[in-house]
Amino acid sequence: AQSVAQPEDQVNVAEGNPLTVKCTYSVSGNPYLFWYVQYPNRGLQFLLKYITGDNLVKGSYGFEAEFNKSQTSFHLKKPSALVSDSALYFCAGFAGVTGGGNKLTFGTGTQLKVEL
Amino acid sequence: GAGVSQSPSNKVTEKGKDVELRCDPISGHTALYWYRQRLGQGLEFLIYFQGNSAPDKSGLPSDRFSAERTGESVSTLTIQRTQQEDSAVYLCASSNQGAGGTEAFFGQGTRLTVV
Repeated sequence: AQSVAQPEDQVNVAEGNPLTVKCTYSVSGNPYLFWYVQYPNRGLQFLLKYITGDNLVKGSYGFEAEFNKSQTSFHLKKPSALVSDSALYFCAGFAGVTGGGNKLTFGTGTQLKVEL
Repeated sequence: GAGVSQSPSNKVTEKGKDVELRCDPISGHTALYWYRQRLGQGLEFLIYFQGNSAPDKSGLPSDRFSAERTGESVSTLTIQRTQQEDSAVYLCASSNQGAGGTEAFFGQGTRLTVV
């Protein structure tokens, strides 16, 4: 069975410092991996995805993520955090089976808090 | 419309009543998901539709919950005999998963309150 894990319930970082939100996966074949962000009282917004190609993918709001096959990880990063980045972040993935058919699985979410 | 639309945006119902939640996916999207999110919590998978395949109902918490989707269009999530623990935001998402690797787009959700 495929799964996505976010080992940290909460991450605290000072504004201007780099941030990392961790995600590991257990997905058969070539995984398709995603990051979403949820601001308070809002729906989920897509940030970025890894399908194939370069291991470092860049997304919205200055976020990037690195796909690491040997460590089965897809950590979300940003070089300099902003207070406005404070939100709930979800990692998600499914197996890259041609034609789809595998459901999108979400991690439990990580609350990011950026403080002045 | 350009995005996933859910209605109603808010629903307050009395315990024991039935409710029906609606999701209009993005046109052409083959995959449709329903999730439940309790306050401050993660996403709880409920059900997944993919094209004409049998839906994956493995996340439905009880037989009070059911969902339908006609073809690749509108889906409805029905909760019968609502209980207070059903209070949550119900999120719908769609994607063109048949094309491989495309992201899911979420609606704004329906906030259900059972009193």
